[in-house]
Amino acid sequence: AQTVTQSQPEMSVQEAETVTLSCTYDTSESDYYLFWYKQPPSRQMILVIRQEAYKQQNATENRFSVNFQKAAKSFSLKISDSQLGDAAMYFCAYRSARVSVGGATNKLIFGTGTLLAVQP
Amino acid sequence: DAGVIQSPRHEVTEMGQEVTLRCKPISGHDYLFWYRQTMMRGLELLIYFNNNVPIDDSGMPEDRFSAKMPNASFSNLKIQPSEPRDSAVYFCASSSSSSTMNTEAFFGQGTRLTVV
Repeated sequence: AQTVTQSQPEMSVQEAETVTLSCTYDTSESDYYLFWYKQPPSRQMILVIRQEAYKQQNATENRFSVNFQKAAKSFSLKISDSQLGDAAMYFCAYRSARVSVGGATNKLIFGTGTLLAVQP
Repeated sequence: DAGVIQSPRHEVTEMGQEVTLRCKPISGHDYLFWYRQTMMRGLELLIYFNNNVPIDDSGMPEDRFSAKMPNASFSNLKIQPSEPRDSAVYFCASSSSSSTMNTEAFFGQGTRLTVV
């Protein structure tokens, strides 16, 4: 079974600085998707960025980028120029790309989350 | 589209009562998921449906929990009888398998359930 591990329960960063959140995963599959979700105090789950395992290029979305190391099964999130609004819980998630009898296995497997505080 | 809609946003009930949580997925999505979030266990997948059919309910904690999806636009999760340890935030999410680009799940705002 696949697992996702986030080893940093809490992180803190100064406004305008850069912070990196860690995520590792375990899978025997070769084709899958990885995601970072943000959950602010409103508790809404918001997709931050996605990465397809077959792509070597790291995904980037404005101030958010990932460092995807497939061999090491590592998927870290870098937030540049941190803003107060970035303060939230961040979850790393894995989704298989395998097509099963019932259709693509779309279920997301989540890590335990990293609570990010942004200091003014 | 209004996104995934869950109701109610908050529910407080007494132990032993039946609780029903509701979800309307995004129109056109063929997958629907129910997750539970607690401080101790994080986000747990309870059950998911594909084209209204339950695919995997191995995450449903006990027989007190049941979920149905009578049509493509509605699902409910029932707890009967409820217990204090069921207190959590319950999320519904939906996704589509029709596009390789939109691989993520879209979440509702969750229902915070408190059983006293």
